[in-house]
Amino acid sequence: EAEVAQSPRYKITEKSQAVAFWCDPISGHATLYWYRQILGQGPELLVQFQDESVVDDSQLPKDRFSAERLKGVDSTLKIQPAELGDSAMYLCASTIRGRLNTEAFFGQGTRLTVV
Amino acid sequence: AQKVTQAQTEISVVEKEDVTLDCVYETRDTTYYLFWYKQPPSGELVFLIRRNSFDEQNEISGRYSWNFQKSTSSFNFTITASQVVDSAVYFCALSEPNDYKLSFGAGTTVTVRA
Repeated sequence: EAEVAQSPRYKITEKSQAVAFWCDPISGHATLYWYRQILGQGPELLVQFQDESVVDDSQLPKDRFSAERLKGVDSTLKIQPAELGDSAMYLCASTIRGRLNTEAFFGQGTRLTVV
Repeated sequence: AQKVTQAQTEISVVEKEDVTLDCVYETRDTTYYLFWYKQPPSGELVFLIRRNSFDEQNEISGRYSWNFQKSTSSFNFTITASQVVDSAVYFCALSEPNDYKLSFGAGTTVTVRA
């Protein structure tokens, strides 16, 4: 069964260090999303890609976060430098192509702890 | 402004009881989709059901059913005869035509006790 792959599953990093997460969407899915989920809250969109282009990064803290999807397939989300408030679950999701009625398929997420 | 509100933070039931989760949404669009997702302890969000804004017919799928009422902007979800494996966080989400992203509620934690 096709699934969205994310790595690592867990990451502990010290404040001010750099950290990166990787996502491989379901094959053929043109739209890729990165969501951040703080404990006890719902996921919030950080960035949305359509193929290799950024469609929406309005909620991405661009002073420290960056995201890329160079070949329109897998994607990397980077934080530099990490802050204590960045501790959260980072979820990647993909859909065939951003359509209103298409459900998004989510990976298992990367749980980040900043100490 | 919060687009999706899930007023219930936690619900605890005994196995075989029915569980109803409330969801209220806000949108100016006439065309939109509503979703329910389940998040078990493993972390991934699992798609459960979808409903478009033009179809208010309520349906049942196995032990899941939903009640969509545009007049009150509500999209409630019911698990019938709950089981321990239903224990998870449940999220209601809205998709609008201007951005196609999912806007999630804060989630409701459901605990089903044996």
